Amino acid sequence: AQSVAQPEDQVNVAEGNPLTVKCTYSVSGNPYLFWYVQYPNRGLQFLLKYITGDNLVKGSYGFEAEFNKSQTSFHLKKPSALVSDSALYFCAVRASGYSTLTFGKGTMLLVSP
Amino acid sequence: NAGVTQTPKFQVLKTGQSMTLQCAQDMNHEYMSWYRQDPGMGLRLIHYSVGAGITDQGEVPNGYNVSRSTTEDFPLRLLSAAPSQTSVYFCASSTAGMDYTFGSGTRLTVV
Repeated sequence: AQSVAQPEDQVNVAEGNPLTVKCTYSVSGNPYLFWYVQYPNRGLQFLLKYITGDNLVKGSYGFEAEFNKSQTSFHLKKPSALVSDSALYFCAVRASGYSTLTFGKGTMLLVSP
Repeated sequence: NAGVTQTPKFQVLKTGQSMTLQCAQDMNHEYMSWYRQDPGMGLRLIHYSVGAGITDQGEVPNGYNVSRSTTEDFPLRLLSAAPSQTSVYFCASSTAGMDYTFGSGTRLTVV
């Protein structure tokens, strides 16, 4: 079985400040980890993924995430938040040998001007 | 290059009615899957397919049926709609190399 936890329903940050959206996972075997963003009434947009290699993954729109195997975490980060980053963020995991993603419940990011 | 196309975008059904949500992809992806999104619950897997003629159940399969007769199409059938099936439905296709593409979603309301 595989699972993802996003412990914060909402994260509030001021524009220009760094942001972190937390994600922890549980899988058997090697994890493949993903972050998606969803704007209101829209579909899911891919941000970044970790498959193997460097633990720091850089993605779209200035976002990055760090894979930490010992803490089973894959937190999403951005050095300087924009108001336009306000959206719903989903972390997802796929275990080796599976073909589907398991999603967390999502974290709403609100960036204030 | 259309990617993953879902139709319809919006639908209102009466309790007990049946309908099919369509999903088509033009990327020759082997894997396809259906998710439902409900507030505070993320996306939950309904059914998935690893190739034409092969389907399997996900986390929340009850009340839904699927088939995969071609690589391109993966329709989701609601057998007898219930208010609990009011949700936003997403279809996704992917490669073994983990490139996932999602459709734009179908917003379904069952009254």
